[in-house]
Amino acid sequence: LAKTTQPISMDSYEGQEVNITCSHNNIATNDYITWYQQFPSQGPRFIIQGYKTKVTNEVASLFIPADRKSSTLSLPRVSLSDTAVYYCLVTLNYGGSQGNLIFGKGTKLSVKP
Amino acid sequence: EPEVTQTPSHQVTQMGQEVILRCVPISNHLYFYWYRQILGQKVEFLVSFYNNEISEKSEIFDDQFSVERPDGSNFTLKIRSTKLEDSAMYFCASSERRQGPRRKLFFGSGTQLSVL
Repeated sequence: LAKTTQPISMDSYEGQEVNITCSHNNIATNDYITWYQQFPSQGPRFIIQGYKTKVTNEVASLFIPADRKSSTLSLPRVSLSDTAVYYCLVTLNYGGSQGNLIFGKGTKLSVKP
Repeated sequence: EPEVTQTPSHQVTQMGQEVILRCVPISNHLYFYWYRQILGQKVEFLVSFYNNEISEKSEIFDDQFSVERPDGSNFTLKIRSTKLEDSAMYFCASSERRQGPRRKLFFGSGTQLSVL
């Protein structure tokens, strides 16, 4: 099963770009890389998903190098409201025969004024 | 944007009592899940449900737990005899896809269960 490793925490200031890198050295050919965001006392929320190269949506960008052994979530110009835990998941057969999503500890991002 | 709704937002119960946590998944979703998160810890998978039966369950989901889809809109988690260690935030989620690499789960805001 693919395992992900990401920093436990990161600090940033408002207006800065934040990059959170996740390593997934044994990612499988059919795996996608998905990021979720969780605010305190709320459920995780899907942010972005990609397979290779670059994906961008209104919230973030996801950069995936050719070997796909890592990925970087990029949050442009963060604000205080981006303070949350960010989870990187490699989604296929990640836990159990049904491939149910298994969350790690995530990266706790703290944005300061 | 459609969302998963959960009720109640907070539930306080005495140890040994039964509780039922309720969820209304997104209307066109067919796959349903319960997760829980003990304060300060990881989000843990409990159970997945499809076509009126459990698809997968974790070690946490023992005989004290059960799930049901009593009608076309609700999805419930029942804990028969609560224990102190059941105190946690319980999240319901739903998805269009059962499995596969592009599956995306939509989570509710959770029910905070406190067992006294």
